[in-house]
Amino acid sequence: GENVEQHPSTLSVQEGDSAVIKCTYSDSASNYFPWYKQELGKRPQLIIDIRSNVGEKKDQRIAVTLNKTAKHFSLHITETQPEDSAVYFCAASRYGGSQGNLIFGKGTKLSVKP
Amino acid sequence: DSGVTQTPKHLITATGQRVTLRCSPRSGDLSVYWYQQSLDQGLQFLIQYYNGEERAKGNILERFSAQQFPDLHSELNLSSLELGDSALYFCASSAMTGGSTGELFFGEGSRLTVL
Repeated sequence: GENVEQHPSTLSVQEGDSAVIKCTYSDSASNYFPWYKQELGKRPQLIIDIRSNVGEKKDQRIAVTLNKTAKHFSLHITETQPEDSAVYFCAASRYGGSQGNLIFGKGTKLSVKP
Repeated sequence: DSGVTQTPKHLITATGQRVTLRCSPRSGDLSVYWYQQSLDQGLQFLIQYYNGEERAKGNILERFSAQQFPDLHSELNLSSLELGDSALYFCASSAMTGGSTGELFFGEGSRLTVL
Protein backbone atom coordinates (compact mmCIF):
# COMPACT_ATOMS: atom_id res chain seq x y z
CA GLY A 1 0.00 0.00 0.00
CA GLU A 2 0.87 3.68 -0.11
CA ASN A 3 3.39 5.12 2.36
CA VAL A 4 3.93 8.87 2.76
CA GLU A 5 7.01 10.30 4.47
CA GLN A 6 7.01 13.94 5.57
CA HIS A 7 9.89 16.21 6.63
CA PRO A 8 10.67 18.06 8.78
CA SER A 9 8.56 17.12 11.77
CA THR A 10 8.98 20.60 13.24
CA LEU A 11 9.83 23.88 11.56
CA SER A 12 10.35 27.29 13.13
CA VAL A 13 10.61 30.45 11.03
CA GLN A 14 10.54 34.19 11.54
CA GLU A 15 7.49 36.10 10.39
CA GLY A 16 7.95 37.09 6.76
CA ASP A 17 10.28 34.20 5.94
CA SER A 18 9.38 31.29 3.67
CA ALA A 19 8.62 27.75 4.85
CA VAL A 20 9.03 24.55 2.86
CA ILE A 21 7.67 21.13 3.79
CA LYS A 22 8.59 18.06 1.77
CA CYS A 23 6.87 14.72 1.28
CA THR A 24 7.67 11.52 -0.60
CA TYR A 25 5.26 8.77 -1.59
CA SER A 26 5.77 5.15 -2.53
CA ASP A 27 2.87 4.18 -4.81
CA SER A 28 3.60 5.26 -8.38
CA ALA A 29 -0.13 4.98 -9.13
CA SER A 30 -0.97 7.80 -6.70
CA ASN A 31 -2.13 10.87 -8.58
CA TYR A 32 -3.78 13.13 -6.03
CA PHE A 33 -1.80 15.08 -3.42
CA PRO A 34 -3.64 17.34 -0.99
CA TRP A 35 -2.30 19.36 1.92
CA TYR A 36 -4.27 19.86 5.12
CA LYS A 37 -3.77 22.39 7.89
CA GLN A 38 -4.72 21.57 11.46
CA GLU A 39 -4.74 24.37 14.00
CA LEU A 40 -4.40 23.49 17.67
CA GLY A 41 -7.49 21.69 18.94
CA LYS A 42 -9.28 21.91 15.59
CA ARG A 43 -10.08 19.64 12.68
CA PRO A 44 -7.85 19.27 9.60
CA GLN A 45 -8.86 21.47 6.66
CA LEU A 46 -7.78 21.32 3.04
CA ILE A 47 -5.59 24.26 2.00
CA ILE A 48 -4.43 23.19 -1.46
CA ASP A 49 -4.26 20.08 -3.62
CA ILE A 50 -2.61 19.01 -6.85
CA ARG A 51 -3.16 16.23 -9.34
CA SER A 52 -0.39 14.48 -11.20
CA ASN A 53 -1.21 16.11 -14.53
CA VAL A 54 0.33 19.40 -13.32
CA GLY A 55 3.69 20.17 -11.79
CA GLU A 56 2.83 23.24 -9.75
CA LYS A 57 -0.18 25.01 -8.31
CA LYS A 58 -0.38 28.35 -6.49
CA ASP A 59 -2.97 29.99 -4.30
CA GLN A 60 -1.87 33.38 -2.98
CA ARG A 61 1.01 32.73 -0.54
CA ILE A 62 0.78 28.94 -0.84
CA ALA A 63 2.19 26.77 -3.61
CA VAL A 64 2.65 23.06 -4.12
CA THR A 65 5.12 21.42 -6.48
CA LEU A 66 5.13 17.84 -7.67
CA ASN A 67 7.93 15.72 -9.12
CA LYS A 68 6.34 12.48 -10.33
CA THR A 69 9.63 10.95 -11.41
CA ALA A 70 11.15 11.34 -7.98
CA LYS A 71 7.80 10.72 -6.27
CA HIS A 72 7.98 13.76 -4.07
CA PHE A 73 5.94 16.91 -3.57
CA SER A 74 6.42 20.03 -1.50
CA LEU A 75 4.43 22.81 0.13
CA HIS A 76 5.81 26.33 -0.04
CA ILE A 77 4.48 29.14 2.14
CA THR A 78 5.84 32.61 1.43
CA GLU A 79 5.69 35.71 3.64
CA THR A 80 4.71 33.62 6.65
CA GLN A 81 2.41 35.12 9.27
CA PRO A 82 1.75 34.07 12.89
CA GLU A 83 -1.63 32.67 11.83
CA ASP A 84 0.20 30.18 9.62
CA SER A 85 1.33 28.42 12.81
CA ALA A 86 -0.29 24.97 12.74
CA VAL A 87 0.39 21.33 11.89
CA TYR A 88 0.50 20.65 8.16
CA PHE A 89 -0.20 17.22 6.71
CA CYS A 90 0.55 16.01 3.21
CA ALA A 91 -1.36 13.09 1.75
CA ALA A 92 -1.53 10.88 -1.33
CA SER A 93 -4.11 8.70 -3.03
CA ARG A 94 -5.41 7.53 -6.39
CA TYR A 95 -7.95 9.98 -7.76
CA GLY A 96 -10.66 8.66 -10.00
CA GLY A 97 -10.74 5.13 -8.69
CA SER A 98 -13.37 3.51 -6.55
CA GLN A 99 -11.38 3.74 -3.33
CA GLY A 100 -10.58 6.83 -1.34
CA ASN A 101 -7.93 5.65 1.08
CA LEU A 102 -6.12 8.97 1.50
CA ILE A 103 -2.84 8.25 3.28
CA PHE A 104 -1.33 11.04 5.35
CA GLY A 105 2.20 11.87 6.36
CA LYS A 106 2.94 12.29 10.05
CA GLY A 107 2.70 16.06 9.96
CA THR A 108 4.93 19.11 10.31
CA LYS A 109 4.45 21.50 13.20
CA LEU A 110 5.13 24.99 11.83
CA SER A 111 5.81 27.80 14.27
CA VAL A 112 5.99 31.36 12.96
CA LYS A 113 7.67 33.74 15.39
CA PRO A 114 6.55 37.38 15.31
CA ASP B 1 -18.53 24.25 10.59
CA SER B 2 -17.76 21.43 8.13
CA GLY B 3 -21.23 19.92 8.26
CA VAL B 4 -19.87 16.61 9.60
CA THR B 5 -21.18 15.77 13.05
CA GLN B 6 -19.44 13.44 15.46
CA THR B 7 -20.66 12.21 18.84
CA PRO B 8 -19.60 11.99 21.56
CA LYS B 9 -16.96 14.74 21.66
CA HIS B 10 -15.26 13.22 24.68
CA LEU B 11 -15.38 9.72 26.11
CA ILE B 12 -13.58 8.23 29.09
CA THR B 13 -13.73 4.51 29.69
CA ALA B 14 -11.79 1.63 31.19
CA THR B 15 -9.62 -1.05 29.61
CA GLY B 16 -11.57 -3.99 28.29
CA GLN B 17 -14.69 -1.95 27.60
CA ARG B 18 -16.48 -1.32 24.29
CA VAL B 19 -17.50 2.04 22.84
CA THR B 20 -19.34 3.27 19.76
CA LEU B 21 -18.48 6.48 17.96
CA ARG B 22 -21.06 8.01 15.67
CA CYS B 23 -20.69 10.16 12.58
CA SER B 24 -23.20 11.97 10.38
CA PRO B 25 -21.70 13.08 7.04
CA ARG B 26 -22.48 16.31 5.22
CA SER B 27 -25.84 16.29 3.53
CA GLY B 28 -25.52 14.45 0.23
CA ASP B 29 -22.05 13.00 0.83
CA LEU B 30 -21.97 9.26 0.25
CA SER B 31 -18.38 8.56 1.39
CA VAL B 32 -17.41 8.33 5.04
CA TYR B 33 -13.87 7.89 6.31
CA TRP B 34 -12.52 7.12 9.76
CA TYR B 35 -9.08 8.25 10.94
CA GLN B 36 -7.25 7.78 14.22
CA GLN B 37 -4.98 10.58 15.40
CA SER B 38 -2.48 9.95 18.15
CA LEU B 39 0.45 12.16 19.13
CA ASP B 40 3.22 10.40 17.26
CA GLN B 41 1.32 8.73 14.43
CA GLY B 42 -0.39 11.58 12.65
CA LEU B 43 -3.63 10.71 10.87
CA GLN B 44 -3.94 6.94 10.49
CA PHE B 45 -6.50 5.80 7.91
CA LEU B 46 -8.83 3.17 9.35
CA ILE B 47 -11.63 2.52 6.88
CA GLN B 48 -13.79 4.04 4.12
CA TYR B 49 -17.43 3.41 3.28
CA TYR B 50 -19.29 4.49 0.19
CA ASN B 51 -23.07 4.36 0.10
CA GLY B 52 -23.19 1.59 2.67
CA GLU B 53 -20.38 -0.53 1.28
CA GLU B 54 -16.84 -0.91 2.58
CA ARG B 55 -14.46 0.48 -0.07
CA ALA B 56 -11.02 0.64 1.51
CA LYS B 57 -9.42 -0.63 4.66
CA GLY B 58 -6.31 0.69 6.37
CA ASN B 59 -4.57 -0.35 9.56
CA ILE B 60 -7.77 -1.08 11.41
CA LEU B 61 -7.41 -3.53 14.29
CA GLU B 62 -9.59 -6.65 14.41
CA ARG B 63 -11.04 -5.31 17.69
CA PHE B 64 -12.43 -2.38 15.70
CA SER B 65 -15.35 -2.52 13.30
CA ALA B 66 -17.44 -0.02 11.42
CA GLN B 67 -20.54 0.21 9.31
CA GLN B 68 -22.49 2.72 7.31
CA PHE B 69 -26.25 2.67 7.57
CA PRO B 70 -28.91 3.31 4.88
CA ASP B 71 -29.29 6.90 6.11
CA LEU B 72 -25.50 7.24 5.49
CA HIS B 73 -24.48 7.82 9.08
CA SER B 74 -21.61 5.66 10.24
CA GLU B 75 -20.53 4.06 13.48
CA LEU B 76 -17.08 2.95 14.60
CA ASN B 77 -17.11 0.25 17.25
CA LEU B 78 -14.04 -0.22 19.44
CA SER B 79 -13.96 -3.26 21.71
CA SER B 80 -11.61 -4.82 24.29
CA LEU B 81 -10.12 -1.39 24.69
CA GLU B 82 -6.47 -0.97 25.58
CA LEU B 83 -4.57 2.04 26.89
CA GLY B 84 -3.00 2.50 23.47
CA ASP B 85 -6.41 3.06 21.89
CA SER B 86 -6.59 6.46 23.55
CA ALA B 87 -6.67 8.91 20.65
CA LEU B 88 -8.70 11.42 18.72
CA TYR B 89 -10.95 9.67 16.20
CA PHE B 90 -11.96 11.71 13.19
CA CYS B 91 -14.74 11.05 10.77
CA ALA B 92 -14.67 12.74 7.38
CA SER B 93 -16.97 12.79 4.40
CA SER B 94 -16.49 13.49 0.72
CA ALA B 95 -18.79 14.54 -2.08
CA MET B 96 -16.87 12.55 -4.68
CA THR B 97 -19.02 10.07 -6.55
CA GLY B 98 -18.01 6.45 -6.92
CA GLY B 99 -15.96 6.48 -3.74
CA SER B 100 -13.00 8.28 -5.30
CA THR B 101 -10.83 10.67 -3.32
CA GLY B 102 -11.60 14.35 -3.18
CA GLU B 103 -11.63 17.03 -0.53
CA LEU B 104 -12.34 15.50 2.86
CA PHE B 105 -14.50 17.43 5.29
CA PHE B 106 -13.58 16.46 8.83
CA GLY B 107 -15.75 16.47 11.88
CA GLU B 108 -14.53 17.88 15.19
CA GLY B 109 -13.43 14.44 16.35
CA SER B 110 -14.22 12.16 19.29
CA ARG B 111 -11.53 12.12 21.96
CA LEU B 112 -11.31 8.69 23.57
CA THR B 113 -9.43 8.22 26.82
CA VAL B 114 -8.91 4.68 28.08
CA LEU B 115 -7.92 4.42 31.75
